[in-house]
Amino acid sequence: DAKTTQPPSMDCAEGRAANLPCNHSTISGNEYVYWYRQIHSQGPQYIIHGLKNNETNEMASLIITEDRKSSTLILPHATLRDTAVYYCIVRVAGGTSYGKLTFGQGTILTVHP
Amino acid sequence: EPEVTQTPSHQVTQMGQEVILRCVPISNHLYFYWYRQILGQKVEFLVSFYNNEISEKSEIFDDQFSVERPDGSNFTLKIRSTKLEDSAMYFCASSVGTTRADTQYFGPGTRLTVL
Repeated sequence: DAKTTQPPSMDCAEGRAANLPCNHSTISGNEYVYWYRQIHSQGPQYIIHGLKNNETNEMASLIITEDRKSSTLILPHATLRDTAVYYCIVRVAGGTSYGKLTFGQGTILTVHP
Repeated sequence: EPEVTQTPSHQVTQMGQEVILRCVPISNHLYFYWYRQILGQKVEFLVSFYNNEISEKSEIFDDQFSVERPDGSNFTLKIRSTKLEDSAMYFCASSVGTTRADTQYFGPGTRLTVL
């Protein structure tokens, strides 16, 4: 699985959009970008994933650059409850590979009142 | 919404004792995983399990560890002789296992404290 690089920490004001970047310059064609978050010591929570196209769900939007070497997770209206560690993970999905998620250190997002 | 559940939430044990951590994956999921997180460190993969056998394991998952699906709903992680360094949060995860929807969903974790 390709390696990812994320800033160690970011701040965001409540109600504003939080834009979390991720670099994955060695991503392969069959690798997806997954985002998870972890609040305190709770289990990682799935947010969103994508391959090439931008994706949106009820939690967030995922913008993937055309060359797929980087992506941005957008929380459109951050709340205090979005304070968490956000992990960008690149892995093969589908086919015969249902393997591990490799977590990095992630980005600590702090949402301020 | 279906979710992965884990019991107990906190387990305290003496070094050298055996512990069994239990997980109930989401009901239609076919792939099961264990991860652990030592306090202040990254979440680390331990093992994946499919069709009643281990699919993949990390170097952490040595002979002291074993996994089992004893019935149609539970998935367990056994540590035969616990060490101090086994103290960590242990997370179970499950996924459907189809080509598109291979998203792993995590349980709330079991905090294991080895004294």
